[in-house]
Formats: sequence, structure tokens, C-alpha cells
Amino acid sequence: NAGVTQTPKFQVLKTGQSMTLQCAQDMNHNSMYWYRQDPGMGLRLIYYSASEGTTDKGEVPNGYNVSRLNKREFSLRLESAAPSQTSVYFCASSTWMGDSNQPQHFGDGTRLSIL
Amino acid sequence: ILNVEQSPQSLHVQEGDSTNFTCSFPSSNFYALHWYRWETAKSPEALFVMTLNGDEKKKGRISATLNTKEGYSYLYIKGSQPEDSATYLCAPNTNAGKSTFGDGTTLTVKP
Repeated sequence: NAGVTQTPKFQVLKTGQSMTLQCAQDMNHNSMYWYRQDPGMGLRLIYYSASEGTTDKGEVPNGYNVSRLNKREFSLRLESAAPSQTSVYFCASSTWMGDSNQPQHFGDGTRLSIL
Repeated sequence: ILNVEQSPQSLHVQEGDSTNFTCSFPSSNFYALHWYRWETAKSPEALFVMTLNGDEKKKGRISATLNTKEGYSYLYIKGSQPEDSATYLCAPNTNAGKSTFGDGTTLTVKP
């Protein structure tokens, strides 16, 4: 009963390095999301994928890219990490984002520090 | 992007106190509102989904109401317990299906 699994849980990068955050869900959900959460702020949407094969920008997409690898997996890539991207990143999924009654299910988060 | 406001930002109560907090959102293009409970070091978990004006939902000691005409929802906790300590997030949905999360109300219940 894994739900949404994110890897890694923690990561420290140097400015300019790249890395990919992985997310997988085993609930057969169509829609997946990436959020960042900064102190004193709520969850801000970076990118989302309404269904397999589609991705769209959210509120704060600059500096990030995503790949919806298949129905289960949705990855987030930082091409050239900057200190402003230090944050906690959450992946979420839902049955179908077009159905507003369906809640999102969240992973445990990835705590990313960029020095 | 919706302007979602939650108040207060934080709340400290004694065990046994009842409390409530507010989520305000634009009343146009409303489809649904979700409440999530987010405990420290865990991930947000869905509490309620509310869709109709006048909706009331209840789970144990926690209940919520919705007013879509004026754009607000209240979350109530009756007889707060230390295990209720968490951040409570609201997230209204627009017709695009995307949730916009408020910054949350952090509740601390002291034994």
C-alpha cells in the first residue's frame, strides 16, 4: 500500500548542479503534480500532468522541467540548481484532475538544499 | 491563480478547547473545496471535499461548512486534543481542475 513514493528523501546540491526528483504512484491515477513548499507559505504548483503524455506549467515553473515517463511516474528535473530552489518538494496524484471532487494524494516529500 | 487566504496563520489552544478557522476564496468559477490535514514530518492528507453552498461535513470532532456565494469555508474542531496539532490547508478548485492551496492554519494543542 505504497501510494505515492518520492526519491530521494533528502539531497544537498551545489549551485549549478543538476538532478532529477523521482515520483511514482501505484493507485492507477491519471493526474500527477509537483509542488514546492517554502517556510510560511503553502504549496505552490510547479508543473502538472493531467494525463499520461501531457504536461503543463503551474504557478512557479521557471528553472524546472518535468517528464511524465508513463502513467505511474512523473519526474522533476533541475537543470542548473540555484539557492532559490532550496525547498521541500512534494509530488501528488489524483484520479483525474478534471473531477474536482477527487482529492490529491501526496508523497512524503524531498528536502532539497542548494549551497 | 486564485487568491486563497487562511486565517489565523497559527493558533495555540489548550486541550479541550473548541476552535475554528477560516478559508476565504473568490466565489466565481467555484467547483469544489478540499480541506487537508498536514502533520509535522508527514504529507498532507485529505479531510473533506465540499462542493455545494451550505455543505456541512463532519469527521469525528472535526467539521466544516461552506458558503460559495460569499467565498468562505470554516473548519471547526470540538474539544481539541494534542493529536489534532497539525497544519490545516484549504484548496479550492477552479474549473481548470487545479487546486490552489492556502498557506494553512497551524494548530497547536497544549495538554
